Amino acid sequence: QQPVQSPQAVILREGEDAVINCSSSKALYSVHWYRQKHGEAPVFLMILLKGGEQKGHEKISASFNEKKQQSSLYLTASQLSYSGTYFCGTVLTGNQFYFGTGTSLTVIP
Amino acid sequence: DTGVSQDPRHKITKRGQNVTFRCDPISEHNRLYWYRQTLGQGPEFLTYFQNEAQLEKSRLLSDRFSAERPKGSFSTLEIQRTEQGDSAMYLCASSLGMGSNQPQHFGDGTRLSIL
Repeated sequence: QQPVQSPQAVILREGEDAVINCSSSKALYSVHWYRQKHGEAPVFLMILLKGGEQKGHEKISASFNEKKQQSSLYLTASQLSYSGTYFCGTVLTGNQFYFGTGTSLTVIP
Repeated sequence: DTGVSQDPRHKITKRGQNVTFRCDPISEHNRLYWYRQTLGQGPEFLTYFQNEAQLEKSRLLSDRFSAERPKGSFSTLEIQRTEQGDSAMYLCASSLGMGSNQPQHFGDGTRLSIL
Protein backbone atom coordinates (compact mmCIF):
# COMPACT_ATOMS: atom_id res chain seq x y z
CA GLN A 1 0.00 0.00 0.00
CA GLN A 2 3.00 2.30 -0.25
CA PRO A 3 2.58 5.28 -2.57
CA VAL A 4 3.62 4.62 -6.15
CA GLN A 5 5.94 7.05 -7.87
CA SER A 6 6.49 7.67 -11.55
CA PRO A 7 8.71 7.65 -13.41
CA GLN A 8 10.99 5.08 -11.76
CA ALA A 9 14.03 6.75 -13.26
CA VAL A 10 14.82 9.81 -15.32
CA ILE A 11 17.97 11.23 -16.86
CA LEU A 12 18.16 14.95 -17.52
CA ARG A 13 20.69 17.35 -18.94
CA GLU A 14 21.55 20.36 -16.82
CA GLY A 15 18.91 23.03 -17.24
CA GLU A 16 16.07 20.68 -18.16
CA ASP A 17 12.89 20.32 -16.15
CA ALA A 18 11.37 17.22 -14.57
CA VAL A 19 8.16 16.18 -12.87
CA ILE A 20 7.91 13.33 -10.37
CA ASN A 21 4.50 12.00 -9.44
CA CYS A 22 3.36 10.26 -6.29
CA SER A 23 0.00 8.44 -6.14
CA SER A 24 -1.75 6.68 -3.32
CA SER A 25 -4.60 4.19 -3.33
CA LYS A 26 -5.62 5.55 0.07
CA ALA A 27 -6.63 9.04 1.10
CA LEU A 28 -3.77 11.46 1.53
CA TYR A 29 -3.87 14.13 4.18
CA SER A 30 -0.30 15.30 3.84
CA VAL A 31 2.71 14.51 1.69
CA HIS A 32 6.41 14.76 2.49
CA TRP A 33 9.18 14.89 -0.12
CA TYR A 34 12.76 13.75 0.52
CA ARG A 35 15.89 13.38 -1.57
CA GLN A 36 18.49 10.72 -0.92
CA LYS A 37 21.90 10.80 -2.54
CA HIS A 38 23.80 7.56 -2.98
CA GLY A 39 25.25 6.35 0.31
CA GLU A 40 23.64 9.15 2.30
CA ALA A 41 20.58 9.57 4.48
CA PRO A 42 17.34 11.03 3.11
CA VAL A 43 17.10 14.80 3.37
CA PHE A 44 13.82 16.63 3.87
CA LEU A 45 12.65 18.88 1.03
CA MET A 46 9.12 19.95 1.89
CA ILE A 47 5.74 18.99 3.36
CA LEU A 48 2.36 19.73 1.82
CA LEU A 49 -0.40 19.75 4.36
CA LYS A 50 -3.65 20.22 2.55
CA GLY A 51 -5.21 19.66 -0.79
CA GLY A 52 -4.25 22.11 -3.45
CA GLU A 53 -1.30 23.40 -1.50
CA GLN A 54 1.79 24.22 -3.47
CA LYS A 55 5.17 24.88 -2.03
CA GLY A 56 8.48 25.80 -3.50
CA HIS A 57 12.09 26.14 -2.57
CA GLU A 58 14.31 27.79 -5.13
CA LYS A 59 13.69 25.80 -8.29
CA ILE A 60 12.00 22.82 -6.64
CA SER A 61 8.28 23.03 -6.00
CA ALA A 62 5.43 20.63 -5.30
CA SER A 63 1.69 20.40 -5.51
CA PHE A 64 -0.86 18.27 -3.72
CA ASN A 65 -4.19 17.19 -5.19
CA GLU A 66 -6.18 15.67 -2.36
CA LYS A 67 -9.07 14.55 -4.57
CA LYS A 68 -6.81 12.65 -6.92
CA GLN A 69 -4.76 11.36 -3.97
CA GLN A 70 -1.54 12.45 -5.60
CA SER A 71 1.31 14.88 -5.33
CA SER A 72 3.83 16.09 -7.89
CA LEU A 73 7.35 17.40 -7.45
CA TYR A 74 8.61 19.87 -10.04
CA LEU A 75 12.31 20.43 -10.65
CA THR A 76 13.02 23.43 -12.82
CA ALA A 77 16.30 24.18 -14.60
CA SER A 78 17.91 21.13 -13.02
CA GLN A 79 21.40 21.31 -11.58
CA LEU A 80 23.95 18.54 -11.12
CA SER A 81 23.29 18.71 -7.39
CA TYR A 82 19.69 17.60 -7.95
CA SER A 83 20.83 14.05 -8.75
CA GLY A 84 19.60 11.46 -6.29
CA THR A 85 16.57 9.38 -5.47
CA TYR A 86 13.40 11.25 -4.60
CA PHE A 87 10.83 9.80 -2.25
CA CYS A 88 7.40 11.00 -1.35
CA GLY A 89 6.07 9.88 2.02
CA THR A 90 2.86 9.94 3.96
CA VAL A 91 1.04 8.48 6.96
CA LEU A 92 -1.30 5.69 5.91
CA THR A 93 -2.41 2.76 8.05
CA GLY A 94 -2.60 3.73 11.67
CA ASN A 95 0.25 6.09 12.28
CA GLN A 96 2.74 4.29 10.09
CA PHE A 97 4.78 6.43 7.75
CA TYR A 98 5.16 5.04 4.24
CA PHE A 99 7.76 6.15 1.74
CA GLY A 100 6.95 5.90 -1.94
CA THR A 101 8.61 3.58 -4.42
CA GLY A 102 11.23 6.20 -5.29
CA THR A 103 12.37 7.99 -8.45
CA SER A 104 16.01 7.99 -9.44
CA LEU A 105 17.02 11.31 -11.00
CA THR A 106 20.33 11.73 -12.79
CA VAL A 107 21.42 15.12 -14.09
CA ILE A 108 24.23 15.07 -16.61
CA PRO A 109 26.29 18.01 -17.89
CA ASP B 1 21.99 21.21 16.74
CA THR B 2 24.35 18.30 16.21
CA GLY B 3 21.97 16.25 14.11
CA VAL B 4 20.82 12.67 14.56
CA SER B 5 23.66 10.29 15.34
CA GLN B 6 23.67 6.53 15.03
CA ASP B 7 26.10 4.02 16.35
CA PRO B 8 27.72 1.89 15.09
CA ARG B 9 27.96 2.92 11.43
CA HIS B 10 28.66 -0.64 10.37
CA LYS B 11 28.02 -3.97 12.04
CA ILE B 12 29.09 -7.35 10.72
CA THR B 13 27.92 -10.37 12.60
CA LYS B 14 27.26 -14.05 12.19
CA ARG B 15 23.79 -15.40 11.71
CA GLY B 16 22.15 -16.18 15.02
CA GLN B 17 23.90 -13.46 16.97
CA ASN B 18 22.13 -10.57 18.68
CA VAL B 19 22.88 -6.99 17.71
CA THR B 20 21.93 -3.63 19.22
CA PHE B 21 21.96 -0.24 17.54
CA ARG B 22 21.76 3.15 19.16
CA CYS B 23 20.20 6.37 17.95
CA ASP B 24 20.64 9.80 19.53
CA PRO B 25 18.01 12.17 18.15
CA ILE B 26 18.24 15.92 17.89
CA SER B 27 17.77 17.22 21.40
CA GLU B 28 14.22 18.39 22.15
CA HIS B 29 12.81 16.25 19.33
CA ASN B 30 9.85 14.35 20.75
CA ARG B 31 9.36 11.85 17.99
CA LEU B 32 11.80 9.16 16.95
CA TYR B 33 11.42 6.73 14.06
CA TRP B 34 13.22 3.56 13.04
CA TYR B 35 13.31 2.44 9.40
CA ARG B 36 14.97 -0.34 7.47
CA GLN B 37 16.27 0.21 3.95
CA THR B 38 17.56 -2.36 1.51
CA LEU B 39 19.43 -1.63 -1.71
CA GLY B 40 17.28 0.09 -4.31
CA GLN B 41 14.28 0.41 -2.02
CA GLY B 42 12.84 3.23 0.01
CA PRO B 43 12.96 3.24 3.80
CA GLU B 44 10.43 0.85 5.38
CA PHE B 45 8.78 1.96 8.60
CA LEU B 46 9.55 -0.21 11.62
CA THR B 47 8.37 1.73 14.66
CA TYR B 48 8.14 5.14 16.22
CA PHE B 49 8.18 6.72 19.67
CA GLN B 50 6.51 9.82 20.97
CA ASN B 51 8.78 10.72 23.86
CA GLU B 52 9.27 7.40 25.69
CA ALA B 53 6.06 5.77 24.45
CA GLN B 54 6.25 3.34 21.53
CA LEU B 55 3.06 4.20 19.65
CA GLU B 56 3.18 2.12 16.52
CA LYS B 57 4.97 -0.96 15.26
CA SER B 58 5.02 -2.37 11.77
CA ARG B 59 4.22 -6.03 11.29
CA LEU B 60 7.69 -6.11 9.73
CA LEU B 61 8.91 -5.84 13.29
CA SER B 62 8.86 -9.51 14.22
CA ASP B 63 9.24 -10.69 17.79
CA ARG B 64 12.99 -10.83 17.19
CA PHE B 65 13.05 -7.05 17.00
CA SER B 66 12.62 -4.79 19.98
CA ALA B 67 13.05 -1.07 20.40
CA GLU B 68 13.21 1.10 23.46
CA ARG B 69 13.48 4.77 24.23
CA PRO B 70 13.99 5.08 27.95
CA LYS B 71 13.45 8.58 29.32
CA GLY B 72 12.47 9.79 25.88
CA SER B 73 16.01 10.55 24.79
CA PHE B 74 18.20 8.04 22.92
CA SER B 75 16.72 4.87 21.48
CA THR B 76 18.01 1.36 20.93
CA LEU B 77 16.95 -1.22 18.37
CA GLU B 78 17.83 -4.82 19.16
CA ILE B 79 17.64 -7.73 16.76
CA GLN B 80 17.84 -11.18 18.32
CA ARG B 81 18.91 -14.36 16.50
CA THR B 82 19.83 -12.45 13.36
CA GLU B 83 18.98 -13.94 9.96
CA GLN B 84 20.41 -13.32 6.50
CA GLY B 85 17.32 -11.30 5.60
CA ASP B 86 18.10 -8.81 8.34
CA SER B 87 21.02 -7.44 6.31
CA ALA B 88 20.06 -3.85 5.56
CA MET B 89 20.65 -0.22 6.47
CA TYR B 90 18.83 0.73 9.67
CA LEU B 91 17.91 4.39 9.73
CA CYS B 92 16.78 6.51 12.62
CA ALA B 93 14.96 9.82 12.23
CA SER B 94 13.64 12.37 14.68
CA SER B 95 11.14 15.18 14.45
CA LEU B 96 9.81 17.92 16.63
CA GLY B 97 6.31 18.07 18.00
CA MET B 98 3.40 15.72 18.46
CA GLY B 99 2.23 15.00 14.94
CA SER B 100 3.54 13.35 11.80
CA ASN B 101 3.44 16.57 9.80
CA GLN B 102 6.90 17.67 10.79
CA PRO B 103 10.13 17.20 8.84
CA GLN B 104 12.01 14.05 9.72
CA HIS B 105 15.76 14.45 10.23
CA PHE B 106 17.70 11.30 9.49
CA GLY B 107 20.90 9.89 10.89
CA ASP B 108 23.51 8.32 8.63
CA GLY B 109 22.28 4.85 9.51
CA THR B 110 23.79 1.60 10.71
CA ARG B 111 24.63 -0.89 7.99
CA LEU B 112 24.12 -4.46 9.17
CA SER B 113 25.73 -7.35 7.34
CA ILE B 114 24.93 -10.90 8.35
CA LEU B 115 27.51 -13.52 7.43
